[in-house]
Amino acid sequence: ETGVTQSPTHLIKTRGQQVTLRCSSQSGHNTVSWYQQALGQGPQFIFQYYREEENGRGNFPPRFSGLQFPNYSSELNVNALELDDSALYLCASSLVGTSLGDTQYFGPGTRLTVL
Amino acid sequence: RKEVEQDPGPFNVPEGATVAFNCTYSNSASQSFFWYRQDCRKEPKLLMSVYSSGNEDGRFTAQLNRASQYISLLIRDSKLSDSATYLCVVNNRRKFYFGSGTKLNVKP
Repeated sequence: ETGVTQSPTHLIKTRGQQVTLRCSSQSGHNTVSWYQQALGQGPQFIFQYYREEENGRGNFPPRFSGLQFPNYSSELNVNALELDDSALYLCASSLVGTSLGDTQYFGPGTRLTVL
Repeated sequence: RKEVEQDPGPFNVPEGATVAFNCTYSNSASQSFFWYRQDCRKEPKLLMSVYSSGNEDGRFTAQLNRASQYISLLIRDSKLSDSATYLCVVNNRRKFYFGSGTKLNVKP
C-alpha cells in the first residue's frame, strides 16, 4: 500500500451541486496532485499543490479548485457539477525537492457519480 | 494532438511470451517518464521510472528514446498476474500527462 488515503470512497451527487473530496498524502510527502479518470481513459491531470500553493494546472475550468493544508493533506472542490464530471478522482503524493520528486504514489480514488 | 499516445490493445499473449509496448509523446521538452500499471477499478501503481540509459527491473525493461520521442516497456516471461492496463506518463513542467493505457491479457 502507498499510504495515500482518500475519502469518501463513493459519492453520488446531482447536477449543479458542489462536492469536496479529500486526500491524505503519504507520510513525509509534501506534494499532492489530483487527477480525473473517466471510464476507459487514462487519468487527466487537474492540478498539483506544493507548500499550500497551486504548482501546475491541467486543462480544467475554474470550478475545479483545491487546497493544501499545513500537514500536506489536500481537498479537491468541484462546483456546479455536470454529468461529465462523473469519474474516478485520484490523488497522488510525491516528495518534491528530491531526486524522486516526480515519482507519484496514488490513493485508491473516489468514484463520483453525477445524476 | 494528444500529449501522450498509446496503442490501446488488447495484447493477448500466452504465458511465457515476451511482449513490448510503445508510447509516443509530443513535447520534446518533457523531463521525466514513467510506466504505471492499473488493475481493473484500482488505482495506478508505479511500475518503473524510465531513463535514457534504459533500466531493468527483473522481467521488465524500460527505454526512453528522446530523439524519436517514445518510451517502451518490455515484459519477458509473461505471467498471468501481468494482466493489467499499462499507462505511460510524461512530465512536462510539473504537468503530468497519462496515455490512455495499453491492455495486456496473459492467457494460460
